[in-house]
Order: sequence, then structure tokens, then C-alpha cells
Amino acid sequence: DQQVKQNSPSLSVQEGRISILNCDYTNSMFDYFLWYKKYPAEGPTFLISISSIKDKNEDGRFTVFLNKSAKHLSLHIVPSQPGDSAVYFCAASATGNQFYFGTGTSLTVIP
Amino acid sequence: GAGVSQSPRYKVAKRGQDVALRCDPISGHVSLFWYQQALGQGPEFLTYFQNEAQLDKSGLPSDRFFAERPEGSVSTLKIQRTQQEDSAVYLCASSLTIQGHQPQHFGDGTRLSIL
Repeated sequence: DQQVKQNSPSLSVQEGRISILNCDYTNSMFDYFLWYKKYPAEGPTFLISISSIKDKNEDGRFTVFLNKSAKHLSLHIVPSQPGDSAVYFCAASATGNQFYFGTGTSLTVIP
Repeated sequence: GAGVSQSPRYKVAKRGQDVALRCDPISGHVSLFWYQQALGQGPEFLTYFQNEAQLDKSGLPSDRFFAERPEGSVSTLKIQRTQQEDSAVYLCASSLTIQGHQPQHFGDGTRLSIL
């Protein structure tokens, strides 16, 4: 049973446009959410996080939105750059110890 | 280096052999995690240490998997009598404290192939 789901395996976006990556979760006890970026043959790199007490967190070109009632979060990248091309994983935690990851969305930013 | 270091980067073993995977966390990080990532999937939790104490091993798939962190720093994940389904990337992550929520910082993983 996948508690964190990323239903879009891939996404292609033109350079300069907005990339929107989506993530859904089922466990209402989750209270901390993260996005990771992963290049081939490397480990995931932490990108941005959000606590359940907030509905938005912004860091430069990256913004994460949390909709608790819908159990949905999204990552917005604007403007998208070719270097953003990678696999993006969302993750969630209830305890701060065990994190549950989605299956990832492969983003391609076309120059 | 300042990041999480894992070795070896690649490991090939024959079915039935034992393997040991090493993780050097970021210096001073209290928490250490092991994950297994199958092809096309996200990382799946295996086990968690707070200093030298293994507080959660609920994700270990069988008793062939064993992890330790005897001095609260370096950790080793051991897999005994390996089987083909053990082939995966094994990721180690560390985080600074156990207070509140902290992001986990990952190493580059060990890609294990069982022949």
C-alpha cells in the first residue's frame, strides 16, 4: 500500500515556463513533507520542505503548496531551467523518523 | 567531504554470498537511516538509528538483513545469504537531530547486483 503517490511518471516543460509536480498521500497523520531532486547515479538531494502548519513554503524558484484537506501537495518551479531536469521525489513523515517516498516524477526541461 | 559517504559504490555478488555496505554519515548527525530503492521506485525505509541505538527496524525485509552503528557514527548494513531480489540501490541518509522535523541528507548509494 503506497502511502505517498506521484501519479505522473514524467513531465516535459519548455525552458522559462512553470513546472508543476504533484503528490498525493493517504495518511492523515503525516505532518512533514519534503521534495527531493535526484540525478542519475546520485543520491536524492533535499530541495524544500513544508510543515503541516503551513500551506505554502517558498525558496527562490521553488514553491511547495500543501492542501491538507485534499491530502495533496505540489512543487512549483518557475522559471524552469534545463538544469532542473531530474527525477523529483516527494516524501512524507508522521514521526520525523520514518519517511515514505513516492515513486518519482522525471522532469525534462526543454531548452 | 561534508556529505554522507557510502562504500562501495557498486557491489556484485553471487547468490548466497554475504555482503556488507558501509555508510559514513555527516559528522555530528544523530540520526541515520537506511533505504532500499528498487528500479523505478522510490526509496523504501529499512531501519533507523539514533546514535548507536537502532530504534526502528520494521522495514528490514527478512532476518537476513542486519544493520549496526556501534559507536554512533559509521553504520554497516549486512545482508546474509544474498538472493536475486536483494538487487537494488541501498541508500543511507543522516539528519542532524531528533528534535522536530529535519530533512534527511542522502549518500549516493551502493548499487548491489546479485547474480
